[in-house]
Amino acid sequence: AQKVTQAQTEISVVEKEDVTLDCVYETRDTTYYLFWYKQPPSGELVFLIRRNSFDEQNEISGRYSWNFQKSTSSFNFTITASQVVDSAVYFCAMKGAAGNKLTFGGGTRVLVKP
Amino acid sequence: DAGITQSPRHKVTETGTPVTLRCHQTENHRYMYWYRQDPGHGLRLIHYSYGVKDTDKGEVSDGYSVSRSKTEDFLLTLESATSSQTSVYFCAISDPGYTEAFFGQGTRLTVV
Repeated sequence: AQKVTQAQTEISVVEKEDVTLDCVYETRDTTYYLFWYKQPPSGELVFLIRRNSFDEQNEISGRYSWNFQKSTSSFNFTITASQVVDSAVYFCAMKGAAGNKLTFGGGTRVLVKP
Repeated sequence: DAGITQSPRHKVTETGTPVTLRCHQTENHRYMYWYRQDPGHGLRLIHYSYGVKDTDKGEVSDGYSVSRSKTEDFLLTLESATSSQTSVYFCAISDPGYTEAFFGQGTRLTVV
């Protein structure tokens, strides 16, 4: 069985502050894939990034960065210098290579205040 | 944008009536998924399909059935809707392996 946990249900910050979203996963698969999605207030789900279990390189894309650590089964997401447009619900997800079952965490709502 | 369409987008139905939601894709992706989204629970997998006529249960499959007779269509059926099935339903498609899933716009279902 696989499981994704996002312990933070809601985070509120003031614009320009950094915010880190935690994601912890559990799986018995040796090969698996991790993802982050954004759901803005309009409701659609937007893909942000993917990582496979053999690639622990951190990634930076503009103000977004991701830290993958297999040793702690974590795939955390940081927004640097947050902006009001970053206000959304963010989901972490994983897919096992064997069954391709895509499992999501409970999501973290980020509210960026001006 | 990935070619994935959910219908209807909104539906209000009465308790005890059958309801079918449709997910249609034009991308020829092998995997299709149905999720429900409820406050405090994130996205929970109901059923998924890994090919025509090949389906499997997710974590909240009770009260739901699915069918996939064609690659492009994945139907979710509530045989006898209950108020606890009031939710937003999302369909997703993907290929196997190291590929992301693409999501439909969602269907808001209200059971009264």
